[in-house]
Amino acid sequence: DADVTQTPRNRITKTGKRIMLECSQTKGHDRMYWYRQDPGLGLRLIYYSFDVKDINKGEISDGYSVSRQAQAKFSLSLESAIPNQTALYFCATSVVGSGGVSTDTQYFGPGTRLTVL
Amino acid sequence: QQQVKQSPQSLIVQKGGISIINCAYENTAFDYFPWYQQFPGKGPALLIAIRPDVSEKKEGRFTISFNKSAKQFSLHIMDSQPGDSATYFCAASMVWGNQFYFGTGTSLTVIP
Repeated sequence: DADVTQTPRNRITKTGKRIMLECSQTKGHDRMYWYRQDPGLGLRLIYYSFDVKDINKGEISDGYSVSRQAQAKFSLSLESAIPNQTALYFCATSVVGSGGVSTDTQYFGPGTRLTVL
Repeated sequence: QQQVKQSPQSLIVQKGGISIINCAYENTAFDYFPWYQQFPGKGPALLIAIRPDVSEKKEGRFTISFNKSAKQFSLHIMDSQPGDSATYFCAASMVWGNQFYFGTGTSLTVIP
């Protein structure tokens, strides 16, 4: 987990506030991801990035935006937080397997617990 | 729509018993099926993974069984230990794929 760090680890905010969650990695991986985890729903992909110039929406991107400031940094923003964005948020990194085949392990950070009141 | 369906949601097993968690998928383009283990306060970590060209993969006490025709795969934990108590997620992705699809998770408790 130390190779992928997330800040803050916990955050309580109010409805309508802008929030930024940050992720940094020292693994040298090109691919970075943001997931949210909710009880009974598992992990759902919000956004992913294959390099600094490549940003893609995941299955639940509405209400979120991201910025890939550098290979090592990937930030998630909630422009106007709402209570149903209360969740555990994870950043992850990966490298593609040889030949582009999907053998990539995802390395997760420790998570950020976000509460929107 | 849940791409990967996982059951049970929770599981309690006696120490030394066998824990079995099942997953099912519909998309036949999936070709990589990992299992992740998550301890409280930590991010998920890869436990074991399988590709559909084999029906079983074993690593220590952990075994994945894969049934391509049924589009199902399962995790078996032999000789379950209290230290195995965690949440387990199955997942699937496809060749040239960009996304992993995770199951909803199974909370495993191993009673001493």
